[in-house]
Amino acid sequence: QVQLQESGPGLVKPSQTLSLTCTVSGGSISSGGYYWSWIRQHPGKGLEWIGYIYYSGSTYYNPSLKSRVTISVDTSKNQFSLKLSSVTAADTAVYYCARVVAAGKLFDYWGQGTLVTVSS
Amino acid sequence: QSALTQPASVSGSPGQSITISCTGTSSDVGGYNYVSWYQQHPGKAPKLIIYAVANRPSGVSNRFSGSKSGNTASLTISGLQAEDEADYYCSSYTSTYTWVFGGGTKLTVL
Repeated sequence: QVQLQESGPGLVKPSQTLSLTCTVSGGSISSGGYYWSWIRQHPGKGLEWIGYIYYSGSTYYNPSLKSRVTISVDTSKNQFSLKLSSVTAADTAVYYCARVVAAGKLFDYWGQGTLVTVSS
Repeated sequence: QSALTQPASVSGSPGQSITISCTGTSSDVGGYNYVSWYQQHPGKAPKLIIYAVANRPSGVSNRFSGSKSGNTASLTISGLQAEDEADYYCSSYTSTYTWVFGGGTKLTVL
């Protein structure tokens, strides 16, 4: 059973960089056929796709966030990470990591989510 | 990219059936059979319940079914149960190699 777990600071100051890591267990991040994605949910709102990375390092980002987002992967640790720069209060959200089945373009496993608050 | 359009809320009594619609465009819902649906209980992560328009993952009740016509996908839940009360989100892959979600529908079981 694949499990994903987000970790990182729950509070980030405005204009700083939000950094989160997703640790994958029960499966290898290097196994082909899957993308590794970040999704966020503003309080009381819907879901927003942020971007994904393939184990090879290739990435694709939501155009609305592209200028501020970097997703990276560390296959030796079976982890992938999110960096979101120049954050504002509008970036306050629950951040989820998820596995994407490439063939079916579906999110089959999700982390429990972590709330990140942007505030001074 | 605009979010897919879902009704904000639907309700039904135990045992009844309800349908949640998800409207997009020919660049997402209408253009691909990559529509999926997720169930989210309060404080929990979303759970995949339908993928590729009408397929159920192993372990998901057959009371959940999906379909699509043109630019609109639909999720039907039959034999409503109290445990079905949750938020439901649709998602579609898009022509710009991204994913878009619906705004979410709150299901109330009366």
